[in-house]
Amino acid sequence: DTGVSQDPRHKITKRGQNVTFRCDPISEHNRLYWYRQTLGQGPEFLTYFQNEAQLEKSRLLSDRFSAERPKGSFSTLEIQRTEQGDSAMYLCASSFRLDTQYFGPGTRLTVL
Amino acid sequence: QKEVEQNSGPLSVPEGAIASLNCTYSDRVSQSFFWYRQYSGKSPELIMSIYSNGDKEDGRFTAQLNKASQYVSLLIRDSQPSDSATYLCAVNMGAAGNKLTFGGGTRVLVKP
Repeated sequence: DTGVSQDPRHKITKRGQNVTFRCDPISEHNRLYWYRQTLGQGPEFLTYFQNEAQLEKSRLLSDRFSAERPKGSFSTLEIQRTEQGDSAMYLCASSFRLDTQYFGPGTRLTVL
Repeated sequence: QKEVEQNSGPLSVPEGAIASLNCTYSDRVSQSFFWYRQYSGKSPELIMSIYSNGDKEDGRFTAQLNKASQYVSLLIRDSQPSDSATYLCAVNMGAAGNKLTFGGGTRVLVKP
């Protein structure tokens, strides 16, 4: 399977804990995006990388959120001191330059 | 006013009929438009992209774009029960990085 992969697929955590998600984009894609989707809503943009550079962050991305793409390949999204409001599906997408974005299966986060 | 608007539905259509989905967007400089299909609990799956005014057909799907009216639509011909899903309209509003702004999605139910 050469599509976008995400790990883990599901994460249940207690409020106040830190969590980290991983995304592996399609191999030749140089752009990587993170979105968040809550029930009944469309995905909302969080941040994106071109190669290893993080070029834009949404106002939605509080200081508790950090994302990295150290070698321009996979990316991690960390949420520190999780809150119940962080419960959502976290989606990763990748594209080649400005072309169409393809989504991974998502990581569903539940904060108890 | 939301930047990308869709009727949330549900849009109920009999099997074999045409489903017509609509999407309006607020930013006149928007450059590219996408329709994604999302099954419950799954991630968005690309159906169509459209960049210029007019119609674009791909199998049973036809996307229509009217930039003057800031309107994009999706027609699903010969609707099948497997088409029952939420359809997300996504717009690249010309921002650097090609981030997508999504509508809330239209839920489609195809009844046998």
